[in-house]
Amino acid sequence: SQQGEEDPQALSIQEGENATMNCSYKTSINNLQWYRQNSGRGLVHLILIRSNEREKHSGRLRVTLDTSKKSSSLLITASRAADTASYFCATDGIQGAQKLVFGQGTRLTINP
Amino acid sequence: ETGVTQSPTHLIKTRGQQVTLRCSSQSGHNTVSWYQQALGQGPQFIFQYYREEENGRGNFPPRFSGLQFPNYSSELNVNALELDDSALYLCASSFTSGQPYGYTFGSGTRLTVV
Repeated sequence: SQQGEEDPQALSIQEGENATMNCSYKTSINNLQWYRQNSGRGLVHLILIRSNEREKHSGRLRVTLDTSKKSSSLLITASRAADTASYFCATDGIQGAQKLVFGQGTRLTINP
Repeated sequence: ETGVTQSPTHLIKTRGQQVTLRCSSQSGHNTVSWYQQALGQGPQFIFQYYREEENGRGNFPPRFSGLQFPNYSSELNVNALELDDSALYLCASSFTSGQPYGYTFGSGTRLTVV
């Protein structure tokens, strides 16, 4: 079963606009990660935020984490056509096994 | 060469057959995990290997089995294939330590069971 749910399931915006994706999860976590997947290929790690962190930046990416609401958001600023992909959040809540539990993803389309 | 390499990239098998998928971990990583991703879904955890021992397993039947070798490469074996086993199988390597790390994923093996 999926741990998290991404919202929206699909998002289509114009190039240059900002894209925001949300993720909710159910159980306590050690950390939360965001991944990108292009056209059913492998996942690329974008950013990891620990449960004791509230916000993290990496280039054009900003991730927030609210453990009281069990939710996270990924903001991509100044979107580019190359950002078109599926984005997944994944939680790591199991001690030791580092098992990642993924949501179903948000399909992001950037229109030129 | 860095990165995670999976082989083959595509595979077609008949129901009831057995399949072996292979993964070469990223240099320096000591942990490998396998995930199954059905079309339109997020990846589902199959199992993880650390130092050649299984270190956690998801909700998959025993006909899904694996190995990790001393060089940290890995195999995923699936026996008695079923149509629902058709999916993208992803291998991910990581370094197990006291600190959390992101995973490095391979490009996957697309398995079709007919």
